[in-house]
Amino acid sequence: DVKVTQSSRYLVKRTGEKVFLECVQDMDHENMFWYRQDPGLGLRLIYFSYDVKMKEKGDIPEGYSVSREKKERFSLILESASTNQTSMYLCASSSLAGGQETQYFGPGTRLLVL
Amino acid sequence: RKEVEQDPGPFNVPEGATVAFNCTYSNSASQSFFWYRQDCRKEPKLLMSVYSSGNEDGRFTAQLNRASQYISLLIRDSKLSDSATYLCVVNRNNDMRFGAGTRLTVKP
Repeated sequence: DVKVTQSSRYLVKRTGEKVFLECVQDMDHENMFWYRQDPGLGLRLIYFSYDVKMKEKGDIPEGYSVSREKKERFSLILESASTNQTSMYLCASSSLAGGQETQYFGPGTRLLVL
Repeated sequence: RKEVEQDPGPFNVPEGATVAFNCTYSNSASQSFFWYRQDCRKEPKLLMSVYSSGNEDGRFTAQLNRASQYISLLIRDSKLSDSATYLCVVNRNNDMRFGAGTRLTVKP
């Protein structure tokens, strides 16, 4: 059974703070993703990674950075948190094994920036 | 225009009802299609893939119409436990695009 874990379920931070969100998957998946989910907008891709030390910008990378030093771990960093980054953050992983990509999600982190 | 559009609902139906959700996508080069289910305050989970010939999984039937760029999900004999948000997902070259979801509430 695939397991994707995120370091926190709920976080409250102040404007200007640096925020680290950690994601770990235990299925040796090559691909990992960070999304944010906001009402009425669905999931929007922030960054993704297809391999260790590799990263690609998604649709809304501004104000975020990522790190993938190990295959199982993908970190999202908010360099200087702002109130418009209050959101639900979802990490996902996937593999192309079997030719069909299915994304498995972590439980999400609800971030509130005051 | 959003790449994947869904009726946000909410759909409120009685137990035992049949309900259908629709989804349209804008990129004709999209390659694979999925329905995900998301419970309140939980993560999305894969419900089923959608194949060109249509496919069924118990009470759930998914259809794809590539010509019209349209995907549907039919739920028969609704259960209380079907209450959730259903996300339409479209994939092209590993770029997954999510609809904003359709919310379903099944009532006793």
